[in-house]
Formats: sequence, C-alpha cells, structure tokens
Amino acid sequence: EAGVTQFPSHSVIEKGQTVTLRCDPISGHDNLYWYRRVMGKEIKFLLHFVKESKQDESGMPNNRFLAERTGGTYSTLKVQPAELEDSGVYFCASSRGILAGGYNEQFFGPGTRLTVL
Amino acid sequence: DAKTTQPTSMDCAEGRAANLPCNHSTISGNEYVYWYRQIHSQGPQYIIHGLKNNETNEMASLIITEDRKSSTLILPHATLRDTAVYYCIVRVHGSSNTGKLIFGQGTTLQVKP
Repeated sequence: EAGVTQFPSHSVIEKGQTVTLRCDPISGHDNLYWYRRVMGKEIKFLLHFVKESKQDESGMPNNRFLAERTGGTYSTLKVQPAELEDSGVYFCASSRGILAGGYNEQFFGPGTRLTVL
Repeated sequence: DAKTTQPTSMDCAEGRAANLPCNHSTISGNEYVYWYRQIHSQGPQYIIHGLKNNETNEMASLIITEDRKSSTLILPHATLRDTAVYYCIVRVHGSSNTGKLIFGQGTTLQVKP
C-alpha cells in the first residue's frame, strides 16, 4: 500500500508570493492532519480533516493559511501571501476512522520543506 | 493533554538496549502514552502506545510505572538506523478527541558503532 505522499518536496519562494502544498493520504483514510515545524521549534499541529470537513483548525496560525480537502481525498494547504516566518517543514498525516474509545495510528508523509526568502 | 518531560539527548552503543525515559506526572486516568520517532529528513513514525499495562511489538517495548507517572521505551537491540528523535506524547482516546498529536522537544537518540 502506498504511503502518504506530499508535493513538492521542496519549495523556495519570495516573501509575498503564494505557495500551495499538496498531500495525498493513504487510500481509505478519512482523517487527514497538517503539522509543521519551523526552525528550532517543535512539530506543531495545524488542522484536522475528517473526510472533507474541518474537524479542528485550532492550530492554523492566521488567515494567510487556507486548507482544503475537496471530495475528501487529497488536501491542499495554501499560504498567501507567504512571510519569512512561514519557512519550515510541513507534514501531512492520515489515519483510518477513529472508533469510539479507540485510536488509529497516524502515518506521516515525508514533508514539504518551505523556504521563504 | 498532559505534558511530558524527556531528556534532550542520549547515546547508545549499537546492539545494546536503548532505554528512553519519559515523565508524565500529571497524566490523567484516561490518557494514553504514545511514542513516535522522527528519523532525519523523514516524517514522524508511530512506534507504540499503552495505557497502564506494558506493551511490546516488533519495534519496541513500553514499560509504564504502576502510578503511570513515567514510562520507558525500550529498543532491545539498537541499530544505527534507530538514530532519531523520539517523542513521548500523552493524549486521551475517544470521540471527543480530534486525534491531534502534541509534540514536545523529544529525545535525540544517537546510536554509535
């Protein structure tokens, strides 16, 4: 089974430009998560989709970030306009449906390294 | 979710057991202990989780103290490929939880030849 894939692996843009990151979860996984690590900091949760619905977007830093998951399959994370502090590694993860009282492990993609100059 | 405390870094000789400690003194009765690791340039990888009983899988063993205030992840025969940052995470299960993971600084384990 294919793992979580992310595109691109690296992106270098200038401040003020727009970048769109893509995540393809494991087929059949209803849950999709975005995380990021900025330089020298811990990995931070951004948001969580259940199918096409946003379940939790409490970690989104500001309204320059827009995440979508049309059709409940792949997801995109757009940063517009990008700022210097947005540089970091953006991870996507997916998991099967969370059963009541249960847990399904999250499978992470390799990440997209974003550099804003 | 309860906070966790881990040593910043540890070394281990190749072939020996690596024992990674984690303190979670404020853990609640319905919170589980999870371990993930991140090998350089890869995404985090799930290792194991448990509530109060010791757990073992093909990757590692998890020992949780009786009072559940601390735990130890054991890699029985560490290899160079186990060099990574190891994260101890405490969280609840259940439909009220969205499943997000809260990562701390983790422990950087260096396995040496």
